[in-house]
Amino acid sequence: DVKVTQSSRYLVKRTGEKVFLECVQDMDHENMFWYRQDPGLGLRLIYFSYDVKMKEKGDIPEGYSVSREKKERFSLILESASTNQTSMYLCASSLFQGPDEQYFGPGTRLTVT
Amino acid sequence: SQKIEQNSEALNIQEGKTATLTCNYTNYSPAYLQWYRQDPGRGPVFLLLIRENEKEKRKERLKVTFDTTLKQSLFHITASQPADSATYLCALAYNQGGKLIFGQGTELSVKP
Repeated sequence: DVKVTQSSRYLVKRTGEKVFLECVQDMDHENMFWYRQDPGLGLRLIYFSYDVKMKEKGDIPEGYSVSREKKERFSLILESASTNQTSMYLCASSLFQGPDEQYFGPGTRLTVT
Repeated sequence: SQKIEQNSEALNIQEGKTATLTCNYTNYSPAYLQWYRQDPGRGPVFLLLIRENEKEKRKERLKVTFDTTLKQSLFHITASQPADSATYLCALAYNQGGKLIFGQGTELSVKP
């Protein structure tokens, strides 16, 4: 079974802190994605990556950056956390770039105070 | 921009009945459409994928239809069980790049 793991289930940070969210997948998937999920807004794509060292902006990239130095690991970085970045963050991976299912991690509930 | 609408109100049905969830989209039709299930506090889990040239897809008690004229997908769960209670998300893709746009989800509650 594909497993996508995220470094923390719950995280509390202060405004202005630099925050790292880590995601690791164990099935040699090419593609990895970062979403945030908010009530009433659904899942929104922040960034995605089709290959190592490659990244593309999603629908809401402002205030975030990403890093993919190894195929299995995709990191989301909040350079200076703000309260409006309080959210559930979900990482996903998929094997093919085309019509393929995405496997999601359990999510990280981030609270910025 | 593309909009996706799912029933915003929760759907409550009796065990054994068929649950039908709706996903409507605006503008141009997607290349393919996926349905996911999400339980509270967990990540979504993939259920079914249907391509733009397919009308219907089935998997056990699940059935998905795709009507590009109506710009709508319907998701059916037959012989529903309390264990089917969850939020169901539809997701659309407009190219072959794998990028998905998700709807807000519909919460389904199946009462015994």
